[in-house]
Amino acid sequence: QKEVEQDPGPLSVPEGAIVSLNCTYSNSAFQYFMWYRQYSRKGPELLMYTYSSGNKEDGRFTAQVDKSSKYISLFIRDSQPSDSATYLCAMSAAWGNNRLAFGKGNQVVVIP
Amino acid sequence: DAGVTQSPTHLIKTRGQQVTLRCSPKSGHDTVSWYQQALGQGPQFIFQYYEEEERQRGNFPDRFSGHQFPNYSSELNVNALLLGDSALYLCASSLDQRGDSNEQFFGPGTRLTVL
Repeated sequence: QKEVEQDPGPLSVPEGAIVSLNCTYSNSAFQYFMWYRQYSRKGPELLMYTYSSGNKEDGRFTAQVDKSSKYISLFIRDSQPSDSATYLCAMSAAWGNNRLAFGKGNQVVVIP
Repeated sequence: DAGVTQSPTHLIKTRGQQVTLRCSPKSGHDTVSWYQQALGQGPQFIFQYYEEEERQRGNFPDRFSGHQFPNYSSELNVNALLLGDSALYLCASSLDQRGDSNEQFFGPGTRLTVL
């Protein structure tokens, strides 16, 4: 079983729709949960991070972490064509052991 | 504030050759991690350097080695290149400190093609 599972299927949505992405994980040591956005042929850009369980909102983006279920989600409200990118979930354990374990990523296309 | 920078941008090598990739961390950061991202995959952790020492290592062979300099910049070396080493190599920097922030910031990557 991989440490982080992210269904890598592409996702096409009309502009204004809600995008819902999720990942599951198996390593109970993970405490930090991140979402990165990656444009084609570029490095990943940190979008949001959450420490432990809970929700975090930043503008149109909401990240949720449920450690009891080992499940994290990212929601994008009022999606825009500029949101078209690959979204990668990533997670790491406590300070001092912060190698990031990534999911495979979801390619999101927002159609005008 | 300069972000993470990497050089070169692109590189083409042949099997069996050796390659060196370079990374300068974000200003104020002291920890550098390297990742390999194959096409269509998420980044895979190679190793992390802190205080000029390799602190953590992922599941990569000894052909992959690195170095960190006193100014916190870092190099990734790959020997005896294989076709399967073709990938985007990403450098990420962070600040080694306790607290709730464990953020890593990535550079644009070096795209290595092995022919």
